This record gives sequence, structure tokens and C-alpha cells, in this order.
Amino acid sequence: SQQGEEDPQALSIQEGENATMNCSYKTSINNLQWYRQNSGRGLVHLILIRSNEREKHSGRLRVTLDTSKKSSSLLITASRAADTASYFCAYSLYNFNKFYFGSGTKLNVKP
Amino acid sequence: EAQVTQNPRYLITVTGKKLTVTCSQNMNHEYMSWYRQDPGLGLRQIYYSMNVEVTDKGDVPEGYKVSRKEKRNFPLILESPSPNQTSLYFCASSPTSWENTEAFFGQGTRLTVV
Repeated sequence: SQQGEEDPQALSIQEGENATMNCSYKTSINNLQWYRQNSGRGLVHLILIRSNEREKHSGRLRVTLDTSKKSSSLLITASRAADTASYFCAYSLYNFNKFYFGSGTKLNVKP
Repeated sequence: EAQVTQNPRYLITVTGKKLTVTCSQNMNHEYMSWYRQDPGLGLRQIYYSMNVEVTDKGDVPEGYKVSRKEKRNFPLILESPSPNQTSLYFCASSPTSWENTEAFFGQGTRLTVV
């Protein structure tokens, strides 16, 4: 399967701390996206990074992409209790319209 | 309001009884897809549709059918549900194949097959 791996599976931090989660995939991709899911609800798009980009920022989010290592990381700075959710990476492969998700990181931000 | 609407939100059914989960989007999106989410497995794509009358298998299509007769609707059909299809299902849409654009997700349908 082309499904990605994420680590850690779970992360618990205090409000104000930074949270970093990582995604690894198996083959060349077109681009990579990150989504957030609150407690079994629908996913919400956070950020998209293209395969020719190395870093992207959006508010308190910073995403990096290392195509040589087939990995991406999502950094949430100055975390808030409202950031408590599961985070998933998602990507498509070259010349395919199928999409794959990582296994997810469950983030708990304690107030 | 731009949205993807799934119905029903919760469903308990018995093995073998055909069911349909509806999905509708009001954003004139071309690309729609279905996913199932299981603990520890993340989301896996079941079927996708590039446009009306164009559908294709995702990673886990066995036991499911779809149709795309209108642009806005993309129902998921389980002809003979089995307990291993107990899962949380999501429909998603995007303007085009969402490799370059974000996907919009419905709120999910929690299906239990007994």
C-alpha cells in the first residue's frame, strides 16, 4: 500500500509549546497537504506544499518537505487548547488521481 | 454556504441489507471521492470521480459501488453490507483533482453493520 506513516502517533504538550509531527511516504509525489480532524468530524484543509517547494508558512503553521527523504513535517508554534485534534498528511502520486493519507498524529494541548 | 452534505450521519444496519449513503456538494466541483476511516489505519480512498459519468477505484473498492449521474451528487452504495464495512465514511469534493487544490469534506457517516 502507498499509505503514509506519521509519527508520533500521539503527542501531548502544554499550551504555548510547539508541536511537531512528521509524515513519511514511499514514492514520488505531486504535492503534499495537511489536514486537521476534530474528534471524528470532517477534515479541514490546513496547508498545501508542492513537490518543488521546501518550506511553507501559514500563520502559526510551518510545513517542510524533503523529497529526497520522502518526508514532511508540520510545526505548530505557540499551540493552543483549540489545536487539540488529529492531524493527517495527504498526497497523490505522479500520474495518478488516487489520494493517500498518513496514519495521523493525535495532538492534545493541555491548557 | 459552501458545503458537502452526507446523509445519514449515523446508520445501524444488518448484514446483507442494501444501503445508500448520499453525498451532495453545492460548489460545482468536478472531483468527488469517498473514504473510510478505521482506527489505526487513517483514511483510505474507496472510489473517486473526475466528473459526471467518470468514476474509478481507489485503494479499497471491494464491496462498494458508486455512481455520478449529476455533478453535485456522488452516492456510495453497499449492495450487501458485511460487518467488516463498519466504519466512519467521508465524502469529499474539490474543484478538480485535488492534488493542487484543497478538498472539502463532509461531516461523516458512522456506519455499523451487525
